[in-house]
Amino acid sequence: AQSVTQPDIHITVSEGASLELRCNYSYGATPYLFWYVQSPGQGLQLLLKYFSGDTLVQGIKGFEAEFKRSQSSFNLRKPSVHWSDAAEYFCAVVEDHNTNAGKSTFGDGTTLTVKP
Amino acid sequence: DTGVSQDPRHKITKRGQNVTFRCDPISEHNRLYWYRQTLGQGPEFLTYFQNEAQLEKSRLLSDRFSAERPKGSFSTLEIQRTEQGDSAMYLCASSLVLRETQYFGPGTRLLVL
Repeated sequence: AQSVTQPDIHITVSEGASLELRCNYSYGATPYLFWYVQSPGQGLQLLLKYFSGDTLVQGIKGFEAEFKRSQSSFNLRKPSVHWSDAAEYFCAVVEDHNTNAGKSTFGDGTTLTVKP
Repeated sequence: DTGVSQDPRHKITKRGQNVTFRCDPISEHNRLYWYRQTLGQGPEFLTYFQNEAQLEKSRLLSDRFSAERPKGSFSTLEIQRTEQGDSAMYLCASSLVLRETQYFGPGTRLLVL
């Protein structure tokens, strides 16, 4: 069964500093990978996704992520964090896209705190 | 495109009561998913529909849970005889078949007292 691991439960960065959130997955086939952001009490907003091709993908709000097959990783980065980026971030992999299921498996999330 | 909507946004109920949640997907989306999210966890898959057919149910979905999607449009998730352990955020998402991007609604937060 596939799984997603986000090793960092909580990260604190200063405003203007760079950010990297880690995500590792376990999946036999070529994965479809996603990063979502969730503000308190809200649903999930898609930041970016990787299906194939260029392993560095750009998303909304200045985020980017790099797919590294050799490390089974899909880490999220942002060069300069803004206070409004404080939220919870989830990495997800879509299962069995070749068999039409399409359901997502999520990591447990990383909570980002931004210090002024 | 008004996005995925869910109703109600919040529900407080007493243990043993039945509750029903509604999800309206993006209009042209033929797949609809239900997830449950508890505090400190990522969303967990419960079930999904392709049009009106319920194609898969997670083992997390006990007999007290039932979901429907009549006519392949909106969906309802009913929990019978609620328990305190059912307290969670229930998220709905929709997508097109073979388009792996799922769009999530705002969720329904359930508190069972």
